[in-house]
Amino acid sequence: DTEVTQTPKHLVMGMTNKKSLKCEQHMGHRAMYWYKQKAKKPPELMFVYSYEKLSINESVPSRFSPECPNSSLLNLHLHALQPEDSALYLCASSQDPKGNTEAFFGQGTRLTVV
Amino acid sequence: DAKTTQPPSMDCAEGRAANLPCNHSTISGNEYVYWYRQIHSQGPQYIIHGLKNNETNEMASLIITEDRKSSTLILPHATLRDTAVYYCIVRVAISRLTFGEGTQLTVNP
Repeated sequence: DTEVTQTPKHLVMGMTNKKSLKCEQHMGHRAMYWYKQKAKKPPELMFVYSYEKLSINESVPSRFSPECPNSSLLNLHLHALQPEDSALYLCASSQDPKGNTEAFFGQGTRLTVV
Repeated sequence: DAKTTQPPSMDCAEGRAANLPCNHSTISGNEYVYWYRQIHSQGPQYIIHGLKNNETNEMASLIITEDRKSSTLILPHATLRDTAVYYCIVRVAISRLTFGEGTQLTVNP
């Protein structure tokens, strides 16, 4: 199983809502990532979790709150988002954050903030 | 991280080899070259990576020049399903995988 599963696939939320994005992998990977991708732009790294601890936060606003409850799960909690936060949110995992192995990406959650 | 330069777009005829170039003239000795692609509205897909030797897998071949300042990804027999944005990334370790603008490859029938 080389799959990273993201749910939901699509999400529409208001600026006062609280919602969460979920990411799951069962490959035994110990590094997990959140990326944000705007239309016609490359993915931008947001957060990296290494062995269930947050190791990189790319100066992401606090309205995005990541959580890694166990080695297979990664959540992204959303609160008080702005319309400009509308984007494709991608989750990825890799075997070891320090190793030179490939990262596997999910299909993303397309988020629209209204 | 070493910066990479790729042409913004390329075309290829179906069934022919697609050769995608990447310049990384500031690459360090311990930095790997990774290639990913992203088909429209899907998550990026890993293709191949290498350090200094040429690499081949079931999807593609990676040719790295002897001075490691450039590389070429080769899709030996391109199909319509290979139409995608191809990203060349240079990185020491996977943790901060940073995507550039990539090359939009269009495979034409």
